Order: sequence, then C-alpha cells, then structure tokens
Amino acid sequence: EAQVTQNPRYLITVTGKKLTVTCSQNMNHEYMSWYRQDPGLGLRQIYYSMNVEVTDKGDVPEGYKVSRKEKRNFPLILESPSPNQTSLYFCASRLAGESYNEQFFGPGTRLTVL
Amino acid sequence: GDSVTQMEGPVTLSEEAFLTINCTYTATGYPSLFWYVQYPGEGLQLLLKATKADDKGSNKGFEATYRKETTSFHLEKGSVQVSDSAVYFCALGGTYKYIFGTGTRLKVLA
Repeated sequence: EAQVTQNPRYLITVTGKKLTVTCSQNMNHEYMSWYRQDPGLGLRQIYYSMNVEVTDKGDVPEGYKVSRKEKRNFPLILESPSPNQTSLYFCASRLAGESYNEQFFGPGTRLTVL
Repeated sequence: GDSVTQMEGPVTLSEEAFLTINCTYTATGYPSLFWYVQYPGEGLQLLLKATKADDKGSNKGFEATYRKETTSFHLEKGSVQVSDSAVYFCALGGTYKYIFGTGTRLKVLA
C-alpha cells in the first residue's frame, strides 16, 4: 500500500530534550515536506526537500532541522524543543516536477513540549 | 508574499443543503490551487485541484473553479452528506512551497 508513515504518532517531552520525528514514504517520491498545524493558523511549511541531500526552508524553519540522506526518509529534528513547538506535525511527499502533483500526507504526530 | 484567505468556520449544515466555502488568494506568478480535506484523526487528502485560470476541479460532487480575475477558488457542493463532515483546507502551490489556509470545519447534521 502506497503510504507515508510517521513515528511516533504521539509524543510528550520536556523543554530542551532533543527529539526526532521520523517520516518514510514508499512511493519513490523525490519531493518531501514537513508542516505544522496549529489552531487558527492552518498548516505552515517548515522544511522541504526536492531530492536526496537537497533541502530548503519553508515559512517557519526556526528551531527545526531536517536531513535527507535517503530518498524514502525525511526526519524532522528538534535539537532543543520549546513549548511553542507544541503542535500537530505532518510529513508529505509527492513526485518531482510541477507543484500540481498531488501531495500525500502522513497521519500526523502530535507533539507536546512541557 | 503569497497568501490564502479562507472562510472562517465552523459551518453547520443540514444534510442535502448546498455548500460554499470561500477561498481567495494572493500570489505572484501562476500557482496551482488545491482543496484538501482532513477527516478526524487523519492526515490531509487531496480533494481537487486546478492548475490554471478557468480550470474547474471536481471530485466526489465537490467543485471549484480557478478564477484569476477575482483571485478566488471557492469550494461548492450541491448536496452535502453527513460523511462530508471534516475540515477543508484551501492551498496554493508554487514551484516548491505551499501555502495553506486556516481551514474550515464543516459539520453536517442528519
């Protein structure tokens, strides 16, 4: 089954404790992206990657890091999480090329930073 | 910069009512436009899309037309069902970046 998977689905952590949210897709997509969803703000793009070893900032990259060492994986790293990073996070992927190619979303990771 | 403005929710309708969710955008260039739907506890799914002016996207009875003159991409459905209850997001896509609206929650009552 074609899908985007994220782990963990739920995470409660404390300020300053480094964490990684994994994202993996099995559709051989070149493009991958991370979003955060907050009430009243919709989805905002954190980082995206056009292909292996090629990443760039979205609209809200502060406090986050990403890496793209393999085509299928695109982990999101919070080196020193803070309470304002409490949010619902989504990973997405699509084929390369035009932006009208459909993005496929993962099920989401709900992160709480105390 | 680019932006998407979406109708505030929640929207509550009776089954078989007509639905309109307004979406307007500002953008440089010629972005693609999308409507995504999010069911409770799930990720977003593409509902429909349009890639150029005057294109009409349609799926599952939903329609939206890319109007360049009014910079709009309003979502419509002639007769909603209880199963359409969800959050709907309007979005625009540039070459690599995407801008989403704030989402509109729809609740359909039997």
